Amino acid sequence: KAGVTQTPRYLIKTRGQQVTLSCSPISGHRSVSWYQQTPGQGLQFLFEYFSETQRNKGNFPGRFSGRQFSNSRSEMNVSTLELGDSALYLCASSLDRGYQETQYFGPGTRLLVL
Amino acid sequence: GENVEQHPSTLSVQEGDSAVIKCTYSDSASNYFPWYKQELGKRPQLIIDIRSNVGEKKDQRIAVTLNKTAKHFSLHITETQPEDSAVYFCAASNVGKLIFGQGTTLQVKP
Repeated sequence: KAGVTQTPRYLIKTRGQQVTLSCSPISGHRSVSWYQQTPGQGLQFLFEYFSETQRNKGNFPGRFSGRQFSNSRSEMNVSTLELGDSALYLCASSLDRGYQETQYFGPGTRLLVL
Repeated sequence: GENVEQHPSTLSVQEGDSAVIKCTYSDSASNYFPWYKQELGKRPQLIIDIRSNVGEKKDQRIAVTLNKTAKHFSLHITETQPEDSAVYFCAASNVGKLIFGQGTTLQVKP
């Protein structure tokens, strides 16, 4: 099976702009989670989607949002970008058969905000 | 709130020695504890995981132990090799949400 894919891989934006990142999970996986990775804060949970519904949410401001489509593909959006939003954004998918299962990570999208 | 503390932040060992990384979690509802290895410029990869109904799990040179009462879990790597050099993350989860430790940079010297 193909692994988790993310597009784009690299992105440069300026403050105030918005950005949309895309994640395609492993075929058959219905849960998609998003994480922000920075050198200072490590790996932080953003949100999780399951069957097109946000099931869990981390402690990020409302500028960070996401959605999931009927084919389980997910997008996350960041509006009004700030310099501190520069990070590697990782998505992960899992089967989720009613219990926590292995999350498989994508390669990430590296976002640079200038 | 939910928190996972990981120690040490850096660890340097000689090839062939053992390495131990320890984590403590705060949310008593956590029931799944994976460990990920992340090499430079690459995605995190699962190396081993353990569920709350198990105290220990081993996979070749890697083992994980869990003490639910103390809310501690540890990663043990024996007979370390240079290719074990990477950043290791522990995490605790309660349905869909992984809370990660800050990571341990492991350096294995040949």
